[in-house]
Amino acid sequence: DGGITQSPKYLFRKEGQNVTLSCEQNLNHDAMYWYRQDPGQGLRLIYYSQIVNDFQKGDIAEGYSVSREKKESFPLTVTSAQKNPTAFYLCASSIPVVPGNTIYFGEGSWLTVV
Amino acid sequence: DQQVKQNSPSLSVQEGRISILNCDYTNSMFDYFLWYKKYPAEGPTFLISISSIKDKNEDGRFTVFLNKSAKHLSLHIVPSQPGDSAVYFCASHNYGQNFVFGPGTRLSVLP
Repeated sequence: DGGITQSPKYLFRKEGQNVTLSCEQNLNHDAMYWYRQDPGQGLRLIYYSQIVNDFQKGDIAEGYSVSREKKESFPLTVTSAQKNPTAFYLCASSIPVVPGNTIYFGEGSWLTVV
Repeated sequence: DQQVKQNSPSLSVQEGRISILNCDYTNSMFDYFLWYKKYPAEGPTFLISISSIKDKNEDGRFTVFLNKSAKHLSLHIVPSQPGDSAVYFCASHNYGQNFVFGPGTRLSVLP
């Protein structure tokens, strides 16, 4: 069955370390996204990619990096430059954004800095 | 500058009654609106949507109303059930632009 798979579900990071969150989709969607949710907060866009080998910064890209080498995969690296990385991270995908489209989400990954 | 606003952070409703969640937007170019439901530690799931050419869309217990002149939409859940307790996000987009999400409203349906 089609969907978006994020891994790991829970991740602990020591300060100063880079970590990479995996996101794979088999929905054949062109567009993929990374969002961050902090407790009691909404969804904030980190990075998005409308097509392979292209990606754009969202509202809070500082301290994060992404790659889009394959249509199915959009990994997010949380670098040591991200000062407050503890949050719930959501990967999403959609067909190109035209009226009537829906964005679909993975199950999310919890990142905690220890 | 929040383009999609959900001014009620939380809402409590008795089981069996109507739940009304509200959303306001500022961008008159938005032409499609969606509601998502989110349980803790899970990804949001799509609930219902409406195009800007309509003023109402219904799916079972869920109905979304759109008032374009007021830049306002609302989600009605009738009757409310305990399983509806979750955070509800309003979202919107216009052609070629990214989805924009509101901050969410936490609905608690009390038995």
